[in-house]
Amino acid sequence: NAGVMQNPRHLVRRRGQEARLRCSPMKGHSHVYWYRQLPEEGLKFMVYLQKENIIDESGMPKERFSAEFPKEGPSILRIQQVVRGDSAAYFCASSPPGTQQPQHFGDGTRLSIL
Amino acid sequence: AQKVTQAQTEISVVEKEDVTLDCVYETRDTTYYLFWYKQPPSGELVFLIRRNSFDEQNEISGRYSWNFQKSTSSFNFTITASQVVDSAVYFCALRGAGTASKLTFGTGTRLQVTL
Repeated sequence: NAGVMQNPRHLVRRRGQEARLRCSPMKGHSHVYWYRQLPEEGLKFMVYLQKENIIDESGMPKERFSAEFPKEGPSILRIQQVVRGDSAAYFCASSPPGTQQPQHFGDGTRLSIL
Repeated sequence: AQKVTQAQTEISVVEKEDVTLDCVYETRDTTYYLFWYKQPPSGELVFLIRRNSFDEQNEISGRYSWNFQKSTSSFNFTITASQVVDSAVYFCALRGAGTASKLTFGTGTRLQVTL
């Protein structure tokens, strides 16, 4: 019974490149959330998706960031033209339907921008 | 707007001491859910507990216990007889019952347990 799977675990990019972070939710979970954790800080919500739909993207930066959760395959968080300030740990969480359900987190992707 | 405050940035205790991590929250929702997560040095986030706003019963799980007091908007976490393996950052989080299902996290409390 696999948990939330994120890959890669570590990702290094140069300024201006694109970063793609992947998240496969737990089996039976149809809701996916992305959070960002800057060094020495708590987690900040970015986006909430269900299959093929973005439900809440109020925490996403307006430019360069996008997310999708296609009918088939993992959820993808995409960061275009990365800058040094994008360096952070990006966590994906999933849950079954229902706001009372706890979100289970993956191990995160540590993104470093050179 | 929702807010979670963990005023203790860092706590250091000696093994076998009891320690309480404080969490104070703000929300306008009448129904909401509170959570605690543990982030060990390896970096993953581990779910510890969920508490519903309409259930103020305290909970104990082994050496862990949680004290939910709606009157003071607090959801404190106590570790009894702490162990070195308890060393981690602990996050308190809040989630409303509406369509916005996002978690609002506190800034975390770093617990260091030494021998």
